[in-house]
Amino acid sequence: QQQVKQSPQSLIVQKGGIPIINCAYENTAFDYFPWYQQFPGKGPALLIAIRPDVSEKKEGRFTISFNKSAKQFSLHIMDSQPGDSATYFCAASKGRGQGGKLIFGQGTELSVKP
Amino acid sequence: DGGITQSPKYLFRKEGQNVTLSCEQNLNHDAMYWYRQDPGQGLRLIYYSQIVNDFQKGDIAEGYSVSREKKESFPLTVTSAQKNPTAFYLCASSSREAQPQHFGDGTRLSIL
Repeated sequence: QQQVKQSPQSLIVQKGGIPIINCAYENTAFDYFPWYQQFPGKGPALLIAIRPDVSEKKEGRFTISFNKSAKQFSLHIMDSQPGDSATYFCAASKGRGQGGKLIFGQGTELSVKP
Repeated sequence: DGGITQSPKYLFRKEGQNVTLSCEQNLNHDAMYWYRQDPGQGLRLIYYSQIVNDFQKGDIAEGYSVSREKKESFPLTVTSAQKNPTAFYLCASSSREAQPQHFGDGTRLSIL
């Protein structure tokens, strides 16, 4: 119930393509769903986050789609660029009173070819 | 610049040795966290602290210890009881229990 399952493990797209990374969760108490981007040798950096009261959120070229009934959420990267090549993690949190603990997916290594 | 500083960037441990990883933040955040990252396993929570002088075990606390004597600092000790310490260790902080969490650039620990 505490797990967040992320797929695919790796993804290769051409420049300009739209990579899609999916995550699924079981615990309906989760109420905060962030996506982090990590470059080699660096810490993860927050990209975009969503709460269950909305079905979609866009920030620049990054979009989160959220399906509460299916307990799934996904990240879409529009017009992908080689600089987007990184590892992406989804996560979930149960909110206040739970220490703000984040449960992370296993990560997706994205490669955008020129 | 406000942020989280982890040091050292690389650390080597000998058999039977305890080592301490440093994490300092100047974001005035109340909550701090330690994660361990292994290839293909995402990030797993070791310990977290919501206020000074208080901390809780995460999912994989065995073989690790922490202290929180100052708001800005949350050092992690990897003890000799941790039999598989080779990993990338990440420190994070947030405002109370709220999100988002901000991460440092990690310490890579290896065994000599």
